[in-house]
Amino acid sequence: DGGITQSPKYLFRKEGQNVTLSCEQNLNHDAMYWYRQDPGQGLRLIYYSQIVNDFQKGDIAEGYSVSREKKESFPLTVTSAQKNPTAFYLCASSIQEGARTEAFFGQGTRLTVV
Amino acid sequence: GNSVTQMEGPVTLSEEAFLTINCTYTATGYPSLFWYVQYPGEGLQLLLKATKADDKGSNKGFEATYRKETTSFHLEKGSVQVSDSAVYFCALRGGADGLTFGKGTHLIIQP
Repeated sequence: DGGITQSPKYLFRKEGQNVTLSCEQNLNHDAMYWYRQDPGQGLRLIYYSQIVNDFQKGDIAEGYSVSREKKESFPLTVTSAQKNPTAFYLCASSIQEGARTEAFFGQGTRLTVV
Repeated sequence: GNSVTQMEGPVTLSEEAFLTINCTYTATGYPSLFWYVQYPGEGLQLLLKATKADDKGSNKGFEATYRKETTSFHLEKGSVQVSDSAVYFCALRGGADGLTFGKGTHLIIQP
């Protein structure tokens, strides 16, 4: 079945550590996105990529980094510079042509700082 | 920039009641409009969409009509069930840089 897979489902980070969240899709989509979800805040865009080896900052990119070396994969690294990383992180993808199409979401990763 | 405003929750209804969740938007041009649903601990699932003015999206008994004159995309269902309890997000997409979401409306259906 085609879809988006995020791993792990739960992740714990110590203060000062970098952690990487995985996102893989087999939908052959060109565009991929990372969102952060906090209670009462809706979803906020962190980074997005429209093509391999290219990505752009979203609204809240500070303290995060991404790479897009393969079409199928768009990992997100939460660095120690992110002061409040505890949140639910969602990865999404969409086809590029017809840019007003819907995005498909993974099941999310819940990151907690301990 | 683009923005989406939807009614704050929680919204609590009895089973079989009529549901309306209001959504209005601000965008340049002609965005596509979406409703997504999120069940506890899960990602978002597309519920319905509309891509141009006066389009009606529908799925699983839910409906929403793209009203350009009022910049609205209100979600409705004639008879809700306990299984409809979830968080509902209104969203728009005006270009290639991702969706803009409302803050979400938590819907609680009591038996």
